[in-house]
Amino acid sequence: QVQIVQSGAEVKRPGASVKVSCKTSGFTFNSYAIHWVRQAPGQRPEWMGWIIAGNGDTKYSEKFQGRLTITRDTSASTTHMELSSLRSEDTAVYYCAREGGYSSAYSFDFWGQGTRVTVSS
Amino acid sequence: EIVLTQSPATLSLSPGESATLSCRASQTLSYTYLAWYQQKPGQAPRLLIYGATKRATGIPDRFGGSGSGTDFTLTIDRLDPEDFAVYYCHQYLNSPPTFGGGTKVEIK
Repeated sequence: QVQIVQSGAEVKRPGASVKVSCKTSGFTFNSYAIHWVRQAPGQRPEWMGWIIAGNGDTKYSEKFQGRLTITRDTSASTTHMELSSLRSEDTAVYYCAREGGYSSAYSFDFWGQGTRVTVSS
Repeated sequence: EIVLTQSPATLSLSPGESATLSCRASQTLSYTYLAWYQQKPGQAPRLLIYGATKRATGIPDRFGGSGSGTDFTLTIDRLDPEDFAVYYCHQYLNSPPTFGGGTKVEIK
């Protein structure tokens, strides 16, 4: 069965970077894209970017250009999201989600459990 | 960027009643790329409906999706206690993918 497990909660100082990992299993990793979505307290989910696991191509929201890097390790079926120059507004729960492909009309069909990132001085 | 506006913000209903949730897009969408998610406190969103009308695997048939163009609806028949949650619509046709502001279905 599909499983997506994210790394644990992080507390960071303003200006620091955070790297969150997203380990997948139960499907052919290279055949899918993985998206990163964050959700600030009481807010709607916000799309950050995605990576095509097979070839490593990425696309980022303009909002995060220059601060966001998404990578993948195909040998470990894992993707990583690194956000730099953190500020208090980056405090949120960060999710990775699988794009389901044709069978689910490319919706985000499986999600990790979320990683809480707190930015505070 | 396509803006999704959900209404109402909160729906207060009793178990056994039906719920109708609305999602309006700022531009015409291909129905193929409209999804609905359920989110409970402390949990990740869960896919309910994709392609505007298709139930995801394991989703009960009391959940139904409809709509086209700019107006989409999620209907929940015979609310079960486990259905009280926040529901988000999501479009992924245009980049960036965007989410609606959510409708909270709460127990009356």
